[in-house]
This record gives sequence, structure tokens and C-alpha cells, in this order.
Amino acid sequence: SQKIEQNSEALNIQEGKTATLTCNYTNYSPAYLQWYRQDPGRGPVFLLLIRENEKEKRKERLKVTFDTTLKQSLFHITASQPADSATYLCALVNSGNTPLVFGKGTRLSVIA
Amino acid sequence: GAVVSQHPSWVICKSGTSVKIECRSLDFQATTMFWYRQFPKQSLMLMATSNEGSKATYEQGVEKDKFLINHASLTLSTLTVTSAHPEDSSFYICSARDLLKDMNTEAFFGQGTRLTVV
Repeated sequence: SQKIEQNSEALNIQEGKTATLTCNYTNYSPAYLQWYRQDPGRGPVFLLLIRENEKEKRKERLKVTFDTTLKQSLFHITASQPADSATYLCALVNSGNTPLVFGKGTRLSVIA
Repeated sequence: GAVVSQHPSWVICKSGTSVKIECRSLDFQATTMFWYRQFPKQSLMLMATSNEGSKATYEQGVEKDKFLINHASLTLSTLTVTSAHPEDSSFYICSARDLLKDMNTEAFFGQGTRLTVV
């Protein structure tokens, strides 16, 4: 069956460190993968998109990698800050205008 | 950037009544909008895909007669929860993409609607 797994439900890290979140998928062939941030009681907010033919994408303190052989994406936040505390969701799209399919998310807490 | 506005942000209703949730794309056109439901500490689960001018496509296990979706224009989709029951209490979120951009692009989400049925 198809699965998207974010293998940490919660992650606590010290301010200033790099947070690394993992997204693994099974039985998908995604055209691209996206990462979203969701704060409590709010809708998700888009962060980064990486296509199947891209290995790495960066945006300010954020970095995403995509390994289609391992079927895995890693999401890094460098120099983490307490304001980065939120739930981070990975999402896949197979092709075209098909809907996003989400993982359960990882709740990140950055401790000052 | 593109904005999707969802109303209301929260609603409490009595069991057996109906509730309508609106989702508007404010500065772009969306032929397709998606409706998700999210239970606490769970992922967003797709309920249905709403296409402008045609019937919505529902995911398996989602009752189309209970969750009525109307997408009458390129900027508005509505979800009506009919004869609501306490088990329908959840966080409902709509999503849309910008037609004019590359289809392989980000989705914009509404703020979500917290429905509580008492």
C-alpha cells in the first residue's frame, strides 16, 4: 500500500542547532515533493518544493534534499530559532493537478 | 502572494443541523479546489476534489450526500456538512492552486474551520 511516513512525531532541539526532519514514502512515484509548515489551528503554509530531477533546494535557512532511489526527503532548518517551532508536513504529488497527499507531520520544538 | 480565504474560522452547531464553509481564492482563479479534514495530531486527509462547474470527486469513505460541495465559480467553493453529528467535529481545510502558474506548484490553503457539533 502507499505510505508517506515522517518518522518523528515530535522533535526537540536546542536553539541554534540544525533540525533535520525525514520523510519516507512507499509505492509512490512523485513528480515532486513539498514541505509545509502548520501552526496550531491554522492551515498549512508552503515552504519549499523539490522536483524528482532535483537533488537539493535551498531557501534562506531551509534546505531540502530528495533521493528518489532511497524514496526519501530530508528537511533541514539551520540556526534554528524558537519561532521555528511548528508542525512540518511533507506532501507528494504524482502528476498534474492531482491533490497533495500528506504525511502526519513532525512537531518541532526549538528550545531557547 | 496568492491568498485563500476560508470562513468561518470556527463554528459550533447543534447535532442535526447543517453548516456551510466557504473557500475563496482572493487574487487568482482556481478551476480545482481540494477539501481536507484533519483530526488532532493526524495528517490532512483529502475528502474531495472540487471542480468548477462540475460535480466534485469524493474520496473513498466520504459520503457525498453528507458533505455537499459546490464550486460555482473560479474563485468560490463551498462545503456543507448536512445533518451534522458530534463525530463530524474536526478541522476542515480547503486548498487551491493558481491556474496561471505551472501546475507543478505550491498549493495555497485556507485558514481552516474548526467545527464542533454538540
